Amino acid sequence: DTGVSQDPRHKITKRGQNVTFRCDPISEHNRLYWYRQTLGQGPEFLTYFQNEAQLEKSRLLSDRFSAERPKGSFSTLEIQRTEQGDSAMYLCASSLEGSHNEQFFGPGTRLTVL
Amino acid sequence: QQQVKQSPQSLIVQKGGIPIINCAYENTAFDYFPWYQQFPGKGPALLIAIRPDVSEKKEGRFTISFNKSAKQFSLHIMDSQPGDSATYFCAAQILGRLYFGRGTQLTVWP
Repeated sequence: DTGVSQDPRHKITKRGQNVTFRCDPISEHNRLYWYRQTLGQGPEFLTYFQNEAQLEKSRLLSDRFSAERPKGSFSTLEIQRTEQGDSAMYLCASSLEGSHNEQFFGPGTRLTVL
Repeated sequence: QQQVKQSPQSLIVQKGGIPIINCAYENTAFDYFPWYQQFPGKGPALLIAIRPDVSEKKEGRFTISFNKSAKQFSLHIMDSQPGDSATYFCAAQILGRLYFGRGTQLTVWP
């Protein structure tokens, strides 16, 4: 499978715990994006990387959230001290710069904070 | 503030019908307008996309109509099938960042 992959697919955690999600983009794509989707809403942009550089962060990305893409390949999204309001689907997408920036999404990680 | 407004919220058609989903935007700096299809528990899948210098794009049974002066665009699904039942999202892009509408839940009855 050469699409975007995300791990884990589901995560249940207790409030106050830290969680980390991983995204593996399509191999030749140099841009990687994180979005958050809550029930009945469209995805909302969180942040994006071009290679290993984090180029933009949404105001939705509070201090408890941090994303990395250390070698310009896979990326991780960490949420510290989770809150019930963090419960959502976390989506990763990737694109190739210059190809009309078509973004291809992974299956998402469903986070439930109890 | 919702950057992209999508309607209707839900839509029910019979097999063979032509559902139409509409979107509107305000920011004229948007430079790319994709539509995504999402099934429950899955990530959004890119369906079709258009640039603002084109008024219509057709791919298979899916057509985007784009009205730059009105800042509106719409998705038409020809000969709809039960397998098209899903949530559809319009989006608009600026500087690589996508802004999504709230989605339209489409149900196609056999």
